[in-house]
Amino acid sequence: EADIYQTPRYLVIGTGKKITLECSQTMGHDKMYWYQQDPGMELHLIHYSYGVNSTEKGDLSSESTVSRIRTEHFPLTLESARPSHTSQYLCASIPGQGLYEQYFGPGTRLTVT
Amino acid sequence: KNQVEQSPQSLIILEGKNCTLQCNYTVSPFSNLRWYKQDTGRGPVSLTIMTFSENTKSNGRYTATLDADTKQSSLHITASQLSDSASYICVVSDRGSTLGRLYFGRGTQLTVWP
Repeated sequence: EADIYQTPRYLVIGTGKKITLECSQTMGHDKMYWYQQDPGMELHLIHYSYGVNSTEKGDLSSESTVSRIRTEHFPLTLESARPSHTSQYLCASIPGQGLYEQYFGPGTRLTVT
Repeated sequence: KNQVEQSPQSLIILEGKNCTLQCNYTVSPFSNLRWYKQDTGRGPVSLTIMTFSENTKSNGRYTATLDADTKQSSLHITASQLSDSASYICVVSDRGSTLGRLYFGRGTQLTVWP
């Protein structure tokens, strides 16, 4: 069982609200990722981080932002939620370079009404 | 364009039967190929990871094969169980960056009926 956690698991929120999705891992992994996944579709990388104070945008353009102030914590923030942000958000981590298993959190199912 | 295509999109089998899921990719340069199992509403869990030099790897009732020449992989599930019902995702990593970029397929939705 991977030690990577996401909260909340489910969130229903109104348009225009600011939200932060939490992701934390206790494995000391350097690399962390945020993916967005719509039902029946592939995962799309929206943000990643090599380590503390390192963040980069992924392939899928996203209006969200991330921060990496501590190794174990990689929160994702939406300043103003919109219905188009409705999706599942998955956080993942890898210990370093090379052939390592990528561990995923359980995901946050976000619905913006 | 780097892509990962999986087939079939969905599959229904009876408990105890075997099945094979397919994955074709165009990712280049190739580093490794992973199969994940994703239960509904959960994050993916790794089943196997194979590098260029490996052509088969097993994890219990799951056996993955890789043909790097034809850029094809398969996941064979033996003696299926109800708990095998899930989405199976093929993921290919390139070798071109320190990130080890991952390309995800859309998955095959497997349903096992009693």
